[in-house]
Amino acid sequence: AQSVTQLDSQVPVFEEAPVELRCNYSSSVSVYLFWYVQYPNQGLQLLLKYLSGSTLVKGINGFEAEFNKSQTSFHLRKPSVHISDTAEYFCAVSLNSGYSTLTFGKGTMLLVSP
Amino acid sequence: GAGVSQSPRYKVAKRGQDVALRCDPISGHVSLFWYQQALGQGPEFLTYFQNEAQLDKSGLPSDRFFAERPEGSVSTLKIQRTQQEDSAVYLCASTHEGYPNYGYTFGSGTRLTVV
Repeated sequence: AQSVTQLDSQVPVFEEAPVELRCNYSSSVSVYLFWYVQYPNQGLQLLLKYLSGSTLVKGINGFEAEFNKSQTSFHLRKPSVHISDTAEYFCAVSLNSGYSTLTFGKGTMLLVSP
Repeated sequence: GAGVSQSPRYKVAKRGQDVALRCDPISGHVSLFWYQQALGQGPEFLTYFQNEAQLDKSGLPSDRFFAERPEGSVSTLKIQRTQQEDSAVYLCASTHEGYPNYGYTFGSGTRLTVV
């Protein structure tokens, strides 16, 4: 079975600073990888996904992530954050063939302050 | 509709009460999923429907949890004799594919509080 580890439960950062949210996964077979964002009292919104091809994936709101197969990582980055990026971010994984549900990490709370 | 719609948004139930949570997926979406998100945790899988067939219910935590999608569109998650540990946000998601999983669209969730 696959699993996801988000090492940082909370990441505080100042506005306009760069940020990286870490995600590592474990799976014995090939996977698809996702980042979702959850604003307070809302559902999950897809930020970006890696299915195949280029390992650098660009998403909405200026976020990007890089798939590193050797390190089994899929870290999320943004070069300059805004106050409005304050939210919970979830990394998720699914198998890339056959039936598979999404398995989520515990989430990282990004706190952007002025 | 344009997105996945869930109702009610908030539900307070007394311990022992039965509750029913509704999910309206995006029109034409084949696959529908229910997830449970406890406070401070990531969502955890409950059950999966492909059209009206419930193909996976391995995540349902007890036989008090029951889900249905009789006509392959709207789905209802029912929890009988609610307990305090059932307090969570229940998320519904849908996608037009069967599988593999290219990612789903989530609803805003129903926050269930059992008192």
